Amino acid sequence: SQQGEEDPQALSIQEGENATMNCSYKTSINNLQWYRQNSGRGLVHLILIRSNEREKHSGRLRVTLDTSKKSSSLLITASRAADTASYFCALRSGGYQKVTFGTGTKLQVIP
Amino acid sequence: GAVVSQHPSWVICKSGTSVKIECRSLDFQATTMFWYRQFPKQSLMLMATSNEGSKATYEQGVEKDKFLINHASLTLSTLTVTSAHPEDSSFYICSAGTSGNNEQFFGPGTRLTVL
Repeated sequence: SQQGEEDPQALSIQEGENATMNCSYKTSINNLQWYRQNSGRGLVHLILIRSNEREKHSGRLRVTLDTSKKSSSLLITASRAADTASYFCALRSGGYQKVTFGTGTKLQVIP
Repeated sequence: GAVVSQHPSWVICKSGTSVKIECRSLDFQATTMFWYRQFPKQSLMLMATSNEGSKATYEQGVEKDKFLINHASLTLSTLTVTSAHPEDSSFYICSAGTSGNNEQFFGPGTRLTVL
């Protein structure tokens, strides 16, 4: 099964700035999800975007999906120190319910 | 709704012992549960998929005799790490889903440390 490649691996920004992280993959997907994980903790589901969707918003989050380029981006606007965490994309392909996770982006927001 | 719990949240054991981790869906029936392993500073890697009442499907490279998975009911799956060794020390996370649902609901994880 494929794994998404995320970049950057690490990102450090000042509070108030926007943070953008990208996920690229190799084969077709049914949907792509973004998760957040605080250090040593479980996962929090952020947003799901289906393969026939191009953009979704949720609060300060904006996700785009370009199936022709096989890539997705997660934008966090007006970042806060509490946004400091690792962010993972997760890919669902074929008829299977299981998802495979990307390599992750570690975001640090400096107050 | 859609809460998944894991027990214990952390465990320390001696090398050679077996450890059981429970994953429960608290307010829904999970037809499928997934077990992941996450080593420090790495992503989650799927270990196995278990469907209620049937044998688990293991990912390539995961020893089924070492990582025993039981999904005896629609709300409970267990992962037993048999004869644990220090290299099995990791963060184990389960997730649960229902048939036809796009979303998986993740447990808070169990940190296993094998001395």
